Amino acid sequence: QSALTQPPSASGSPGQSVTISCTGTSSDVGFYNFVSWYQQHPGKAPKLMIYEVSKRPSGVPDRFSGSKSGNAASLTVSGLQAEDEADYYCSSYAGSNNLVFGGGTKLAVL
Amino acid sequence: QVQLQESGPGLVKPSETLSLTCTVSGGSVSSGTYYWSWIRQPPGKGLEWIGFIYHSGSTNYNPSLKSRVTISGDTSKNQFSLKLTSVTAADTAVYYCARGNWNHCDSWGQGVLVTVSS
Repeated sequence: QSALTQPPSASGSPGQSVTISCTGTSSDVGFYNFVSWYQQHPGKAPKLMIYEVSKRPSGVPDRFSGSKSGNAASLTVSGLQAEDEADYYCSSYAGSNNLVFGGGTKLAVL
Repeated sequence: QVQLQESGPGLVKPSETLSLTCTVSGGSVSSGTYYWSWIRQPPGKGLEWIGFIYHSGSTNYNPSLKSRVTISGDTSKNQFSLKLTSVTAADTAVYYCARGNWNHCDSWGQGVLVTVSS
């Protein structure tokens, strides 16, 4: 199984919206509606932000949203805030009880 | 609120076995609801799923690591463990334990850095 593809970096100004992509294949992202997104601040553990493509865990602001089209998934952060600056990782179920992660995207809030 | 805490040696010699334990509080590893996972992150790099154990004691592993990995559970201590054999410098990483299901992890430990070096 190969890692999912994410852009290495993304940026936006406070208040703007930014979208991070996550490209997989017809065997993972394209086949299953089990894409998750994690936020990781430096030196901290990842935090689940989105699961099953577009569901938000309790406590995650509704500024964070997820979607999927074909073999690609996206995370959109609306109304960017300084505390959103972090690394973001996507993951997808890849069948046979396997999970695959993306390489991560560093989001900068300018 | 569940809490997870990794523990184990921070330094392992090449060719030896890396052993880590995750202690769970505020939840039970014998719960039929959750899967208990190990994920690692080499310094400055992305996340890699290692595998998980679930309620029946069944396990699943990343195919790329499967020949070297064993995950086991100890319900009496509310812990689950990771063993990775024949380690090399490429296994140097922060190792996280986490709770979730088969497709995502909703609670993570703080992580422990394991360095492989002689």
